[in-house]
Amino acid sequence: QKEVEQNSGPLSVPEGAIASLNCTYSDRGSQSFFWYRQYSGKSPELIMFIYSNGDKEDGRFTAQLNKASQYVSLLIRDSQPSDSATYLCAVRANEKLTFGTGTRLTIIP
Amino acid sequence: DAGVIQSPRHEVTEMGQEVTLRCKPISGHDYLFWYRQTMMRGLELLIYFNNNVPIDDSGMPEDRFSAKMPNASFSTLKIQPSEPRDSAVYFCASSLVIQRENMKTQYFGPGTRLLVL
Repeated sequence: QKEVEQNSGPLSVPEGAIASLNCTYSDRGSQSFFWYRQYSGKSPELIMFIYSNGDKEDGRFTAQLNKASQYVSLLIRDSQPSDSATYLCAVRANEKLTFGTGTRLTIIP
Repeated sequence: DAGVIQSPRHEVTEMGQEVTLRCKPISGHDYLFWYRQTMMRGLELLIYFNNNVPIDDSGMPEDRFSAKMPNASFSTLKIQPSEPRDSAVYFCASSLVIQRENMKTQYFGPGTRLLVL
């Protein structure tokens, strides 16, 4: 079993709709959770982090965490073509980040 | 700030050759990480340093891989001898003090795309 699992996609969403990305993790000792965006041929860039159960909002992005279910999600509202990228979920336990393999998101104009 | 700098950006070499990847972290950052990214395995942490000292190298795949950080502004990842299965994108990232609940300051370099023939 992988430590951090994501649906690889591709996930296609119409422009203006809500994109929902999901991630599950196996280590119950995980402390913090991160979403990175990676454009093709580029390096990952951090867009959100969360460490408490519930929702955290930042602009069009909302991260959701449910530690009991070991589940993290990212919602992108009013999706734009520029949101088309691979989204990496990362989980921190102690000092190390473990990444999922990413979900490829395509926003359809 | 120039961000994390990596060189070379692209490297093509033949099996058995030595490969050296270089990284300059953001000035003042005290953690440095080396990652490898492939389609099959995603982004994997190879090793990380704190204040130039290697803290965890459990992700280094085998003895052919070695990493050094001789000072706060420079690190190398060396593969000797290289093999085709080492082909991947290698990222360096740096961070300013990993706090217990906050890692938002981890920044990735542009990566080195390595192809071993």
